[in-house]
Amino acid sequence: QQQVKQSPQSLIVQKGGISIINCAYENTAFDYFPWYQQFPGKGPALLIAIRPDVSEKKEGRFTISFNKSAKQFSLHIMDSQPGDSATYFCAAANTGNQFYFGTGTSLTVIP
Amino acid sequence: DAGVIQSPRHEVTEMGQEVTLRCKPISGHDYLFWYRQTMMRGLELLIYFNNNVPIDDSGMPEDRFSAKMPNASFSTLKIQPSEPRDSAVYFCASRAPGQGPYFGPGTRLTVT
Repeated sequence: QQQVKQSPQSLIVQKGGISIINCAYENTAFDYFPWYQQFPGKGPALLIAIRPDVSEKKEGRFTISFNKSAKQFSLHIMDSQPGDSATYFCAAANTGNQFYFGTGTSLTVIP
Repeated sequence: DAGVIQSPRHEVTEMGQEVTLRCKPISGHDYLFWYRQTMMRGLELLIYFNNNVPIDDSGMPEDRFSAKMPNASFSTLKIQPSEPRDSAVYFCASRAPGQGPYFGPGTRLTVT
């Protein structure tokens, strides 16, 4: 059973546009929600993370929006750049250190 | 800090051979994870350690897989005997409470 459902599977955005990736979860015990960026041939790199006590967290062009009641969270990439082209993974974890990853979104930013 | 270090970066071996993957976590991190990534199954947690003690190995696919963490700065994942279906990228990751985990560059394993 997929603990974290991620969509879309792939995304194409024009340079300067907003990229939005969505994730949903069921387990209300999750209390930590990180996002990872992975380039080909590299390991996933921690991008930004949020806890359920806040509804939004922003770091530079990257923003996580969190909706606790809907059990959904999303990553917004503002002013998307070709260098942002990568695979993005959401994840959810509980205090037991069980990290569950989404299936990934392949983002392509067209110049 | 150099980040999580993994070796080798690439491993090609024949079916039936023993394979040992190595990991050095970030200094001060007390959790260490081993993940496997394939196109079909995505990122799968194999096992994780806390303070060098295995906590959850329910993701280890079969008895052919074993992992050890003899000290805070070193862990191994061993596959014996290896099979073609074990071909994947294996990641080690570490974290301190409240952050991460931070992934290493991975070991790309090919079993022919």
